Amino acid sequence: EADIYQTPRYLVIGTGKKITLECSQTMGHDKMYWYQQDPGMELHLIHYSYGVNSTEKGDLSSESTVSRIRTEHFPLTLESARPSHTSQYLCANLLVRGFFGPGTRLTVL
Amino acid sequence: AQSVTQLGSHVSVSEGALVLLRCNYSSSVPPYLFWYVQYPNQGLQLLLKYTSAATLVKGINGFEAEFKKSETSFHLTKPSAHMSDAAEYFCAVSEESGGGADGLTFGKGTHLIIQP
Repeated sequence: EADIYQTPRYLVIGTGKKITLECSQTMGHDKMYWYQQDPGMELHLIHYSYGVNSTEKGDLSSESTVSRIRTEHFPLTLESARPSHTSQYLCANLLVRGFFGPGTRLTVL
Repeated sequence: AQSVTQLGSHVSVSEGALVLLRCNYSSSVPPYLFWYVQYPNQGLQLLLKYTSAATLVKGINGFEAEFKKSETSFHLTKPSAHMSDAAEYFCAVSEESGGGADGLTFGKGTHLIIQP
């Protein structure tokens, strides 16, 4: 079955580092989304894309940026990580099918 | 704009008892509604979805939900709780089947506790 892949699953990093969270999908579909989930809290949309070279910001303001150069990949980047970025980041595709990736748990020290 | 309200941040039931998790939504257009489950330290798993077909939707793991337009509700039920059902449950709404410009809007979640 088609799937969404996220790497790394867990990341602990120091303040000021640049990080990229990877998300890839094998379904070849256009719509992809990034959600942020703080521990014990609901999910908030931070970025979405309707296809190659299309990216938009979601409901929740985020210092992260995304790119969509290829349909299969939708990476999220933090240029300078801070402790306030500590959270879980979930990538999703074609939500009607309920496809969420396993998430990346980011801890910034 | 769309929104979701999940009544009760924590619900505790005995093993074998009925599970009822409440979800009310608001949407300016006919909604698509979803229930997700999240086990500790894991991602989201889709339990079931309503996409304007049958109002009673059956999902995985014995869960089902009924769409009631007059009550703007989409409550999740399971006749008999199992210990493995202990998890966080999220209700979500979308105004487009593929997620649309706003993607999914999630409720704050309900933590289901199963008492032995």
